[in-house]
Amino acid sequence: DAGVTQSPTHLIKTRGQQVTLRCSPKSGHDTVSWYQQALGQGPQFIFQYYEEEERQRGNFPDRFSGHQFPNYSSELNVNALLLGDSALYLCASSRGRKEKLFFGSGTQLSVL
Amino acid sequence: GESVGLHLPTLSVQEGDNSIINCAYSNSASDYFIWYKQESGKGPQFIIDIRSNMDKRQGQRVTVLLNKTVKHLSLQIAATQPGDSAVYFCAETPNDYKLSFGAGTTVTVRA
Repeated sequence: DAGVTQSPTHLIKTRGQQVTLRCSPKSGHDTVSWYQQALGQGPQFIFQYYEEEERQRGNFPDRFSGHQFPNYSSELNVNALLLGDSALYLCASSRGRKEKLFFGSGTQLSVL
Repeated sequence: GESVGLHLPTLSVQEGDNSIINCAYSNSASDYFIWYKQESGKGPQFIIDIRSNMDKRQGQRVTVLLNKTVKHLSLQIAATQPGDSAVYFCAETPNDYKLSFGAGTTVTVRA
């Protein structure tokens, strides 16, 4: 049984560009949450998707957007990249909105 | 703002000894608490959780203690092993939807 898978594992972009990160949830899970983890910090909640809609959002600007597909996979989009967007982006899935989260290994984004 | 923090950023422990990792939280509305372990290059891995209607919960070699009076959470690891070396995060949420993580404690196990 595959766990949460994220792609790509590493990504390098330049300021002003746009990026799309992808996540496939664990089998049987229908809820996907995204977190940003800066170096040396704990993960920060970006948003949660359930039934293809954004249900909860953390303190992130509108440059951060997402999508959930009918097969429960999800994308995180970041527009107009800033140097400060460099971080590890983690996807977590759960069976329902209030259940235990399982995290993927993340996408390491570097903005130059 | 509300946040979850850890008392010590690093902890060095002798192999075979017990480890205690502490965490203070400030959101009195939080009712669900989780400990995660994160190894280098990996995402956080669930260790154990506890709800606010409990003050202690035990797993395999781990115990979580919750003191709601002083808003304190701790993780005890029995007979610490080299594989326990990692960064440990406590997380809390008032609604089970959005987890707030602390900055983490780096545990190093000495042989």
